[in-house]
Amino acid sequence: DAKTTQPTSMDCAEGRAANLPCNHSTISGNEYVYWYRQIHSQGPQYIIHGLKNNETNEMASLIITEDRKSSTLILPHATLRDTAVYYCIVFMNRDDKIIFGKGTRLHILP
Amino acid sequence: GAVVSQHPSWVICKSGTSVKIECRSLDFQATTMFWYRQFPKKSLMLMATSNEGSKATYEQGVEKDKFLINHASLTLSTLTVTSAHPEDSSFYICSARDPRTSIDTQYFGPGTRLTVL
Repeated sequence: DAKTTQPTSMDCAEGRAANLPCNHSTISGNEYVYWYRQIHSQGPQYIIHGLKNNETNEMASLIITEDRKSSTLILPHATLRDTAVYYCIVFMNRDDKIIFGKGTRLHILP
Repeated sequence: GAVVSQHPSWVICKSGTSVKIECRSLDFQATTMFWYRQFPKKSLMLMATSNEGSKATYEQGVEKDKFLINHASLTLSTLTVTSAHPEDSSFYICSARDPRTSIDTQYFGPGTRLTVL
């Protein structure tokens, strides 16, 4: 079973910041938080990952709470091309395998 | 990020035939690759872990004789759907661990859509 809880769907206006929440209350100390997204009929695309600290790259920012029980993916200026299913995943890497939950279907509204 | 390719992108075959899908890591060597299956409007389901030079590890409920996996080199894993039937029609996606990253981030291929008539 997936170790994360995400809202089923969210809407965001084009040009605004999209904030996607994820709960992972049972996360262990050596598990990372990963975010992937899947645009229709394509393979999942890696977005970002983090362990404890907040992270930022050219695609998004990842905010992890101090207790690590939840996180938020932020797309700073959403475009129509950001419409996708976003998956929040926690796992240890190297020896672990990714189990996908249902993700959040993000709709960007023009 | 790293590049993972799949071939073919889509395939249509007759019931009873076998279909081979290739997964390649283009700019890195991957000792471990994964195969997933995705039905319409569903999430990805892990089928098996493919290890270079050894047997694949299958998830519970996945028939190893039905879905043959061969990871003969560090850049290629193949999934063969043997004696395909219409219920095997699905979107098959592979991923590969990139060892160049500090924590072996997984990157996914674009997927192969299989339709069995």
